Amino acid sequence: DVKVTQSSRYLVKRTGEKVFLECVQDMDHENMFWYRQDPGLGLRLIYFSYDVKMKEKGDIPEGYSVSREKKERFSLILESASTNQTSMYLCASSFRKRRQGPSNTGELFFGEGSRLTVL
Amino acid sequence: AQSVAQPEDQVNVAEGNPLTVKCTYSVSGNPYLFWYVQYPNRGLQFLLKYITGDNLVKGSYGFEAEFNKSQTSFHLKKPSALVSDSALYFCAVRHTYSGAGSYQLTFGKGTKLSVIP
Repeated sequence: DVKVTQSSRYLVKRTGEKVFLECVQDMDHENMFWYRQDPGLGLRLIYFSYDVKMKEKGDIPEGYSVSREKKERFSLILESASTNQTSMYLCASSFRKRRQGPSNTGELFFGEGSRLTVL
Repeated sequence: AQSVAQPEDQVNVAEGNPLTVKCTYSVSGNPYLFWYVQYPNRGLQFLLKYITGDNLVKGSYGFEAEFNKSQTSFHLKKPSALVSDSALYFCAVRHTYSGAGSYQLTFGKGTKLSVIP
C-alpha cells in the first residue's frame, strides 16, 4: 500500500515563527503536492513538485515555499507564520504523467494531514 | 478551465436508506473523475474513479458513482447507508492539460454526509 507520512499531526506555533511541514512517501512517486484545507473552501493547491529540485506554484503560493531535495520527501515552509495560515495541510503524491500502467490516471494518495494553529 | 461543483454542503440520511452525494463538473475533453472521503481529522482516502467505459463505477466500502455525460454529473451513491459512512466527501476532476509531467486535480468544496441512526 502507498504510504504518505506527514511528520506532525498537530502543531501550535506563534506569529512570526518559521514552520516546517515534512512529507515522505514510499511509493517512488515523482509528483508531490501540498494542499491546504479550510471549511467551505475545500482543498486549495499551494505548491507541487514533479521531480527532485523542481517546483511549481499552485493556486495560493503566497507566504509559502517548498523544498524537494530527495524524491521521497517534500517539505512545506512557512517563513514567517501568520494567523491566517492556521489550517489543515495535506500532502499528496502520484505517478508522473508518462509512467505507464493502471495507476497512471492522476489518482492522488494523501497523508493524514497536519493541523497547524498559529497564535 | 476545469471546475467541480458540489451543490450540497450537507446531506442527511437515515441509516439503511439509499444515499446520493451530488457532483457536477466542467472540463474540456474527456473527463477523468474521482471521489475521495475524509473522516474527521484524517487525510483524504480514494473511493473510486471514472476514466472510461461503463457509466456506473464501483468503488470501496460499497460505494458507486454514476457518470452522466449529457448532464456533466458524477453522483456518488450507496444503496444502504451506514452510520460509519458519516464523513466529508470530495469530488475531483483531472486537468486536461497539466504540463510539467504532473496531473493535477481540481476538488469540489466537499459535502458533509451525516447518517442518522
